Amino acid sequence: QLVESGGGLVQPGVSLRLSCVASGFTFSGSWMTWVRQAPGKGPEWVANINPDGSETYYVDSMKGRFTISRDNAKNSLYLQLNSLRDGDTAIYFCARHLDWAFDFWGQGTLVTVSS
Amino acid sequence: QSALTQPASVSGSPGQSITISCIGTSSDIGTYNYVSWYQQHPGKAPKLMIYEVRNRPSGVSNRFSGSKSGNTASLTISGLQAEDEADYYCSSYISSCTPYVFGTGTKVTVL
Repeated sequence: QLVESGGGLVQPGVSLRLSCVASGFTFSGSWMTWVRQAPGKGPEWVANINPDGSETYYVDSMKGRFTISRDNAKNSLYLQLNSLRDGDTAIYFCARHLDWAFDFWGQGTLVTVSS
Repeated sequence: QSALTQPASVSGSPGQSITISCIGTSSDIGTYNYVSWYQQHPGKAPKLMIYEVRNRPSGVSNRFSGSKSGNTASLTISGLQAEDEADYYCSSYISSCTPYVFGTGTKVTVL
């Protein structure tokens, strides 16, 4: 199971930290991913992190503003969102990355950026 | 990196077969056999249906099959059922720097 939290209604320019707690699989051995989906739109891959957290990858448009991290002792994945913009409004999903796909998804947490 | 191109909608009657295309480029689908397909019902998270072009995860019906030719991947749903009505998205690996891109999405309607 993957359970996200931390979303909410925020004003442009502020920061937010999303969390995802994992259970039922070996979190510390898994690549993990954040994917977002704007209202009425398709999914957009955001970032990946390797099992020990030493490698991270981001979509070009979010590099420098978003940071993915993890705490394997807490079975937790995080996404730090900085300088939020209207275009960042979306449901943010965490997912397990396996065999070049995303095989296990959380229910998502909604981030709404609006003044 | 632009999104992969899918038809906006595809429809079929119960029992029929439908095919959803996913058009990429020589930099993604044309190079890598890392195409996956996701089913998404309204208000739900996406569900993996196909990975590595044609492999089905455990628990996914064998009515779902995937293939690839050149820069185009395809998802075929055979024996269409009412529960198959959903949005479907393809995804492909691109490169080690920005690994993944999703498709524009296809709404499947069961008539």
